[in-house]
Amino acid sequence: KQEVTQIPAALSVPEGENLVLNCSFTDSAIYNLQWFRQDPGKGLTSLLLIQSSQREQTSGRLNASLDKSSGRSTLYIAASQPGDSATYLCAAPMGAGNMLTFGGGTRLMVKP
Amino acid sequence: GAVVSQHPSWVICKSGTSVKIECRSLDFQATTMFWYRQFPKQSLMLMATSNEGSKATYEQGVEKDKFLINHASLTLSTLTVTSAHPEDSSFYICSARPSGGSRTDTQYFGPGTRLTVL
Repeated sequence: KQEVTQIPAALSVPEGENLVLNCSFTDSAIYNLQWFRQDPGKGLTSLLLIQSSQREQTSGRLNASLDKSSGRSTLYIAASQPGDSATYLCAAPMGAGNMLTFGGGTRLMVKP
Repeated sequence: GAVVSQHPSWVICKSGTSVKIECRSLDFQATTMFWYRQFPKQSLMLMATSNEGSKATYEQGVEKDKFLINHASLTLSTLTVTSAHPEDSSFYICSARPSGGSRTDTQYFGPGTRLTVL
């Protein structure tokens, strides 16, 4: 059974800092790994998807890496802004169309 | 812990038929439920936000007349794919957000429903 863990559970940083969110998974036979953002009371917003054959994906100030052998993924946020405050979730399916297993999320607060 | 179920787990139907997917929060009440869709090799995409007793809010590009959402009670939301076509084949996931208490910022996800339209 796949287990996905995110550390830290909560993070508070001053505006402008670069930060790293961590995601670990127990079964390396993942199909892909996805990072989501969740604002309070809202649905998930997909940020980045890394296929199992890829090492990283970039979108704007966001960079996600994937190391299947070690069972880890990181989400790097450069020059953080107050608008980045949200809960960040990583999730991995075991195969195409399979159920996503989500991590517990990291609640990020960026202070002005 | 909070459990969300979906029924059916998978369904195969003929083109032109309608399919109903149920999302239930088993041990908590949920004023708000979310419906997501995931195509192969793509990320999960929010389709709509379902609010108990009111009309659902659809994301841009999602046809509300094709994907009918009914949130008739605090523990049940349904998604009906009307006149399904092969391009509607996808993985549909719901999530539920508890009403009140200390868990209102948390969403609990169902296991998903795989729809295949022939």
